[in-house]
Amino acid sequence: DQQVKQNSPSLSVQEGRISILNCDYTNSMFDYFLWYKKYPAEGPTFLISISSIKDKNEDGRFTVFLNKSAKHLSLHIVPSQPGDSAVYFCAAIRYNFNKFYFGSGTKLNVKP
Amino acid sequence: EPEVTQTPSHQVTQMGQEVILRCVPISNHLYFYWYRQILGQKVEFLVSFYNNEISEKSEIFDDQFSVERPDGSNFTLKIRSTKLEDSAMYFCASREDSHGYTFGSGTRLTVV
Repeated sequence: DQQVKQNSPSLSVQEGRISILNCDYTNSMFDYFLWYKKYPAEGPTFLISISSIKDKNEDGRFTVFLNKSAKHLSLHIVPSQPGDSAVYFCAAIRYNFNKFYFGSGTKLNVKP
Repeated sequence: EPEVTQTPSHQVTQMGQEVILRCVPISNHLYFYWYRQILGQKVEFLVSFYNNEISEKSEIFDDQFSVERPDGSNFTLKIRSTKLEDSAMYFCASREDSHGYTFGSGTRLTVV
């Protein structure tokens, strides 16, 4: 059973606008959530994370929101830039467990 | 939903020993990948595999690494003579031609 889901395989946004990438999870025991960005032929690069005790974390243009009651997190990129075009993965882990759970990724295309 | 399964979830090995990390990709997927993440660092691409051969590999993937798909279902990563710096989380992923990646939940390798 896939415990982390990204239901949108792709997203297209105009440069300068907001990109919103969504992620849903099923396991309420997850403690920590991460977003990764991936370019072709490279490994995913860590972008931003959030602990389950918070509901928002901001880093520059990137903000992650966590809604624990809905088991939903989202990544907002404002303003979007063409260089943000990549595949974005969300992932969830439980502290003291050796397991990461990744979503299937959302391909973001930011149009100039 | 189908999953990518990795075993074991945690492996401890002595320096210089050989280890084999196992992955069972989703059965109808065509592309297979290994990545690793050293604690606190980014996820690094190791190798991609398609049509029973390596299609791309990174600088990290030197002669001590090898991959195999011995029986059409398993996809293994072998490290011939482990070093302390091989300690990391190793992720397997697979994908169909036009769909997103499915990641396994990782094997934590500890070399002592």
